[in-house]
Amino acid sequence: AQTVTQSQPEMSVQEAETVTLSCTYDTSESDYYLFWYKQPPSRQMILVIRQEAYKQQNATENRFSVNFQKAAKSFSLKISDSQLGDAAMYFCAFATGGGNKLTFGTGTQLKVEL
Amino acid sequence: AAGVIQSPRHLIKEKRETATLKCYPIPRHDTVYWYQQGPGQDPQFLISFYEKMQSDKGSIPDRFSAQQFSDYHSELNMSSLELGDSALYFCASSVHRASSTDTQYFGPGTRLTVL
Repeated sequence: AQTVTQSQPEMSVQEAETVTLSCTYDTSESDYYLFWYKQPPSRQMILVIRQEAYKQQNATENRFSVNFQKAAKSFSLKISDSQLGDAAMYFCAFATGGGNKLTFGTGTQLKVEL
Repeated sequence: AAGVIQSPRHLIKEKRETATLKCYPIPRHDTVYWYQQGPGQDPQFLISFYEKMQSDKGSIPDRFSAQQFSDYHSELNMSSLELGDSALYFCASSVHRASSTDTQYFGPGTRLTVL
């Protein structure tokens, strides 16, 4: 079974600053995919970024980037130039290859301060 | 772009009643997933369907059943509702890929309250 751990229940960042959210996972699979989803107060689950385990290059999406350390089973999310709209619960998620279910971490609540 | 549609958005039921939640996937998506998110919890996988067949099953109570129809929409049927079933129910859809995993896109969720 796969497990996903987010050890930071809450994080705060000043507007325009950079913040990194941590995620570790445990699996014996070799083919898997990692995701970060954002859940704002509206409760909508919004995809932030995706990383394929077989890719060595870290994924980036505008202000969002990941630091994928496969050997350490670590998958952190860096948010640059933080904006008020980034305030949300962020979930790290794992899926094995072949279109399988997502296993989520417990989430990190990000607050963005003026 | 079209998104996943869920109906109803809000539902209030009494204990022991039944409820049906509907999900309409993104056009051309053939796989549907159901998740349950309790208050302050992360989403938990319930069940998934690909081409109208159940593809995976998680911690779904026996009181719950689901199916996917020929137009790929899915329905989650919940019977003998309990207070603990109060939660946000998400549907997500993706394209099935035999050799990889497509991204799951989530609907807005159905908030079920059991009184």
